[in-house]
Amino acid sequence: DAGVIQSPRHEVTEMGQEVTLRCKPISGHDYLFWYRQTMMRGLELLIYFNNNVPIDDSGMPEDRFSAKMPNASFSTLKIQPSEPRDSAVYFCASSFSYQTQYFGPGTRLLVL
Amino acid sequence: DQQVKQNSPSLSVQEGRISILNCDYTNSMFDYFLWYKKYPAEGPTFLISISSIKDKNEDGRFTVFLNKSAKHLSLHIVPSQPGDSAVYFCAASSRSKLTFGKGITLSVRP
Repeated sequence: DAGVIQSPRHEVTEMGQEVTLRCKPISGHDYLFWYRQTMMRGLELLIYFNNNVPIDDSGMPEDRFSAKMPNASFSTLKIQPSEPRDSAVYFCASSFSYQTQYFGPGTRLLVL
Repeated sequence: DQQVKQNSPSLSVQEGRISILNCDYTNSMFDYFLWYKKYPAEGPTFLISISSIKDKNEDGRFTVFLNKSAKHLSLHIVPSQPGDSAVYFCAASSRSKLTFGKGITLSVRP
């Protein structure tokens, strides 16, 4: 079992650029979650999907953030345009039930 | 408004002794509680969980206790080992969403 796969692992970009983070959930899992971790706010849920459908995006900070799940094995989180305050570690997680989530290794994003 | 609080940012214990990590919550709608462990540069990994209908769950060296009336849970690690040194997150679940505490850094001294 490969676990949740995220790419890239590290991303450095300049303010104003578009950033796309990618996630492949564990096969068979029907829930997918995107989180952001910062020192100030800890681990925050941004959005989650059930069977590829977005269920709750109330954690998405603003319209610059968008997420898609075109199929059961792939999801993206896009930031356009990026800002320095978006610098954080972004985690993707998946689960078979909504209770025990399995996390990917994260993408460390730095916006200069 | 923090619904899940881990008030101590760090804990240091001697190898072989007990580690007790505490967590408080405010939302009475939470019905499932989990502990995750995180090493640097890795994602959180699931450790142990407990349903709100129970007050104790044990898995090897790890035991989680839930006191619903006090809205408090704790994770006990006995005996503590140097490999347990990590950040531990408490999480609470309601309607598919997990709310995490800010974590506590456990250091186990050899």
